[in-house]
Amino acid sequence: AQKITQTQPGMFVQEKEAVTLDCTYDTSDPSYGLFWYKQPSSGEMIFLIYQGSYDQQNATEGRYSLNFQKARKSANLVISASQLGDSAMYFCAMREGRGFQKLVFGTGTRLLVSP
Amino acid sequence: ETGVTQSPTHLIKTRGQQVTLRCSSQSGHNTVSWYQQALGQGPQFIFQYYREEENGRGNFPPRFSGLQFPNYSSELNVNALELDDSALYLCASSPSGRVDEKLFFGSGTQLSVL
Repeated sequence: AQKITQTQPGMFVQEKEAVTLDCTYDTSDPSYGLFWYKQPSSGEMIFLIYQGSYDQQNATEGRYSLNFQKARKSANLVISASQLGDSAMYFCAMREGRGFQKLVFGTGTRLLVSP
Repeated sequence: ETGVTQSPTHLIKTRGQQVTLRCSSQSGHNTVSWYQQALGQGPQFIFQYYREEENGRGNFPPRFSGLQFPNYSSELNVNALELDDSALYLCASSPSGRVDEKLFFGSGTQLSVL
């Protein structure tokens, strides 16, 4: 069973608008963490934001915020005030394992920001 | 501060050959992970090294092996290459290997197996 599901293969947004990228996850472990990474065409994965399962508040990092709904097992990324440089692939990932870092990634969403 | 660097950036091999990919972790980082990203997919975890010891492995066959050196740089070796090994190989480092730490990725090595 797929553990991370990103149902939007592609999204379009106009510059300065907000956009939400969807992510649902599946785990039976009460302790887990959710990450969002951005991958521009250069290939490098860039960390955006992290949410731990026990965190009481939704994570925010500058223009990025994570809409964490634990009961629904969703961890949507919200990008406010989109910029042209935000055009990239976006991956949601869940950490698995307790003794080591292992991320399980979704298939990604391609975001295109238009002027 | 130097980020994660990988070499080579591109590589072409034929089926059955062996390949070694290299990664220099970010300064001060003692943990290195390797991921395989097939075209159109998210990265898949291969294994992780912490202070020169493999401490976690994904669902990859033994022909995928690695090393981490005392300076915390790392190698990924793949023997008996198959066509399906064609992918972007990403290396990532982190300061201490804590499970909630963010990973710092390199730009990857694009491997093509013909």
